[in-house]
Amino acid sequence: SQTIHQWPATLVQPVGSPLSLECTVEGTSNPNLYWYRQAAGRGLQLLFYSVGIGQISSEVPQNLSASRPQDRQFILSSKKLLLSDSGFYLCAWNPEIRNTIYFGEGSWLTVV
Amino acid sequence: AQSVAQPEDQVNVAEGNPLTVKCTYSVSGNPYLFWYVQYPNRGLQFLLKYITGDNLVKGSYGFEAEFNKSQTSFHLKKPSALVSDSALYFCAVRDPFSGGYNKLIFGAGTRLAVHP
Repeated sequence: SQTIHQWPATLVQPVGSPLSLECTVEGTSNPNLYWYRQAAGRGLQLLFYSVGIGQISSEVPQNLSASRPQDRQFILSSKKLLLSDSGFYLCAWNPEIRNTIYFGEGSWLTVV
Repeated sequence: AQSVAQPEDQVNVAEGNPLTVKCTYSVSGNPYLFWYVQYPNRGLQFLLKYITGDNLVKGSYGFEAEFNKSQTSFHLKKPSALVSDSALYFCAVRDPFSGGYNKLIFGAGTRLAVHP
């Protein structure tokens, strides 16, 4: 069966420090991968998506970047965090030929 | 523009009563519609989807949703609510212009509170 793992679950980082959130999917190949951010416990914003290794598309210009070094690995990064980067980050995936998107458990980022 | 509206910020229901969480959409062409549930500090869990076919879609945990093309709605329903159904519910529609990936447009979410 397919599963998605996301870590760390919780992170407290000082302003100006780097960030790395990692996501891996098991039990599938060539998935579409996504990073979402959820602010204020409600609205979901698509940040990045990837349809293959090294192929990253950004939805919203910001202080973050994403990379896909392996087929089932998706990383969200920042060189210098801002207070406004705080939020709940969700990794998601869908099989290449199916429509349903499945989400990971999320990572809470607090920038202090 | 493609959009999804969840007109109720919160829905309160007594346990054992039927529940409805409303969703309306505006997209070009035939919509692909989804419902997700989010429990506190957790990721989103997929409940059900409508792609084509029968307008009444059955999903996880006893939930169902009815696609109504004329009213552009996709309301989530359950015949008998449980306290454990209390959570945040999101309606979403696939952006028809998202090409080879699935860009979902989400509603703002509706908080369901089921009271004993």
